[in-house]
Amino acid sequence: KQEVTQIPAALSVPEGENLVLNCSFTDSAIYNLQWFRQDPGKGLTSLLLIQSSQREQTSGRLNASLDKSSGRSTLYIAASQPGDSATYLCAVGDTNAGKSTFGDGTTLTVKP
Amino acid sequence: TAGITQAPTSQILAAGRSMTLRCTQDMRHNAMYWYRQDLGLGLRLIHYSNTAGTTGKGEVPDGYSVSRANTDDFPLTLASAVPSQTSVYFCASSPGQYSPLHFGNGTRLTVT
Repeated sequence: KQEVTQIPAALSVPEGENLVLNCSFTDSAIYNLQWFRQDPGKGLTSLLLIQSSQREQTSGRLNASLDKSSGRSTLYIAASQPGDSATYLCAVGDTNAGKSTFGDGTTLTVKP
Repeated sequence: TAGITQAPTSQILAAGRSMTLRCTQDMRHNAMYWYRQDLGLGLRLIHYSNTAGTTGKGEVPDGYSVSRANTDDFPLTLASAVPSQTSVYFCASSPGQYSPLHFGNGTRLTVT
């Protein structure tokens, strides 16, 4: 069974800092990996999708990388802003199950 | 605005009562999903449908049923609610089984 872990569970940084969020998974047979943002009391907003054949994806200040062989993905946020404060979740598309498995998320606080 | 509509936004339900959570998407996506999100347990898949007319069980299907009579609608029914079903329920869809996920804004359900 695919297991997805996100470390740290919570992170607090000053505004302007560059930061990295981690997502690790136990089974490398994946078809994609998706990073989401969730604001308190809201739904999940897709940030970046990496297909299994890709190594990274970029959108604005966000860059996500994927290393299937080591079972890891990172989400890099450049020049963090208070508006980036949210919970970030990764979802691993498990080829064997045909479904996505979610990590528990990292709650990010960016202090002004 | 295209996307997924969930109703109601929130509900308080007495234990033993039945309830149907509604989910409608206008993106003509083939696959639809129901997740529940609980603190400390993350997002867990309840039921899914890869295409209209078919459904399948996810990780935590007990106490829930679904139907997929057409492409757009994927209702989730609690036949006899119990307090452990207190949760936030998210409906999601994707173009296909191995495609990125799109989420609704969720239904917050409290069973008393």
